[in-house]
Amino acid sequence: QSALTQPASVSGSPGQSITISCTGTSSDVGSYNLVSWYQQHPGKAPKLMIYEGSKRPSGVSNRFSGSKSGNTASLTISGLQAEDEADYYCCSYAGSSTFWVFGGGTKLTVL
Amino acid sequence: EVQLVESGGGLVKPGGSLRLSCAASGFTFSSYSMNWVRQAPGKGLEWVSSISSSSSYIYYADSVKGRFTISRDNAKNSLYLQMNSLRAEDTAVYYCARGVVVTDYWGQGTLVTVSS
Repeated sequence: QSALTQPASVSGSPGQSITISCTGTSSDVGSYNLVSWYQQHPGKAPKLMIYEGSKRPSGVSNRFSGSKSGNTASLTISGLQAEDEADYYCCSYAGSSTFWVFGGGTKLTVL
Repeated sequence: EVQLVESGGGLVKPGGSLRLSCAASGFTFSSYSMNWVRQAPGKGLEWVSSISSSSSYIYYADSVKGRFTISRDNAKNSLYLQMNSLRAEDTAVYYCARGVVVTDYWGQGTLVTVSS
C-alpha cells in the first residue's frame, strides 16, 4: 500500500479538464510544500511535470497545474490531448526519516 | 545535455549481490543530490535512497535499510547502489534521478531481476 493515495484511473475527452488527487497526511503533504508530480509513458522514465506543489519546469505545458489544500495535493490538466494519456504519480517529502513517499499512480485515459 | 545512464542490472539469485552504477554527464555532478528510485514490474514508483552532493547526508527507505548502500564518486561523475541480500521483492527497474527538491532528470533505468 502506497503512502499517498491516488485514484487508480481517471479519464476525459480531448479538450476537457481533469484533476488527479493525491491524499497524504499531516506528516507529508500537509507539512511541506514539496509535492511533485510525474508523468510516465509506458516503458519510459518518469518526467517531472510539477514541483514544489505548483511550479512548472521549463518546457512543461501550462496546461498542467498543481495545487494543495490541507493534506491533499492535486494535479489539473486542462485542454486534454491524446499525448497526455499516461500514468501520473505524486510524490511528497516526508521528513528526514521517511524522506520521500510516492502515490500509487493514476492511469489517465484520453477517450 | 544532461544525461544519466544506469548500468549493472541483471539476473541474480536470492541472497546475492549486485552493484548498480549511474554515469552522469552534461551538468556539474558534484553540485547535486542524487537518488535511486525503483519500479517493480507493473507497479508504481518507490523511493530507495538519496545522497547529498558531498555524501554528508544519506537516506534509505526502510525496505532496503541495512542491505543497500548508496555512494558517489564526484571525480568520476558517478552514482552507485550496492545491493546485498537481495530478495525477490527487490525485482524492479532502478532509476537514478538528479536533485531532491527538483528531481528534473531521470535515467532510463536498469532492470534487476532476483530469481532462482
